[in-house]
Amino acid sequence: GAVVSQHPSWVICKSGTSVKIECRSLDFQATTMFWYRQFPKQSLMLMATSNEGSKATYEQGVEKDKFLINHASLTLSTLTVTSAHPEDSSFYICSARGSGLEETQYFGPGTRLLVL
Amino acid sequence: GESVGLHLPTLSVQEGDNSIINCAYSNSASDYFIWYKQESGKGPQFIIDIRSNMDKRQGQRVTVLLNKTVKHLSLQIAATQPGDSAVYFCAETPGYSTLTFGKGTMLLVSP
Repeated sequence: GAVVSQHPSWVICKSGTSVKIECRSLDFQATTMFWYRQFPKQSLMLMATSNEGSKATYEQGVEKDKFLINHASLTLSTLTVTSAHPEDSSFYICSARGSGLEETQYFGPGTRLLVL
Repeated sequence: GESVGLHLPTLSVQEGDNSIINCAYSNSASDYFIWYKQESGKGPQFIIDIRSNMDKRQGQRVTVLLNKTVKHLSLQIAATQPGDSAVYFCAETPGYSTLTFGKGTMLLVSP
C-alpha cells in the first residue's frame, strides 16, 4: 500500500514558538493532502485540504493564519503551528490521496505536539 | 452537516471469536466507504473499502457489508486476534470529496 510519513513524530515546545510538521508521500504522487487533528479518545477532525500548488482550503473554525499549510510539491505538505499555545497540544495527522480517481486516503503516523 | 456514527463505542471479544463492528451513515449521497484501524499513538491504517455499487467485499480475515437501504456499514473480523485490538473508524465520502469519519469503536481482544 501507499506510504505516508510525518516528521517529527513528536515535539515539545514552549508557548509562543512555531512548530513545523512535514508530511511526505513516499511512493506515490499526492495531488491532495489533508491535515487532521485528533484529541484523546475522539475521532479525526479535518482541519484543511491542501492541493499541490494552490492555497489550502480550511474547515470552518480553523484559523488559517495560525495553521499555515504549504503544499509545494506532489510529495510534500507542511503544517506550521504559529505562536503555539497549550491548547494547540494535540495529535496531528496528515493523509494523502493520489492523482488518479482513487478516493482512498492513506494516513501518516501522526505527530504528537505538546506545548508547555 | 451530516455525520457518520457508530452504535458501539467499545466491543470486547475473546481471541478466536468473530467481531462485528457497525456503522450508520446519514449522507445518502455517499458512494464510497472505508474502514480504518487506529492503534494507540499511530495514524489510521487502511483496512478495506467498498463502493456503493457493491454490498459486500472481502479481504484477508475481514469483510465489509454495505446496506444502502438502511444506510448501514459493518466490518466483520474473522478469528479475532489480540493484534486486532484498536479503534476502528468508518469513513464515508460522496464522490471524490473529503472523508467524514465516524466516532470510532474500540475493539478489545482478550487472550
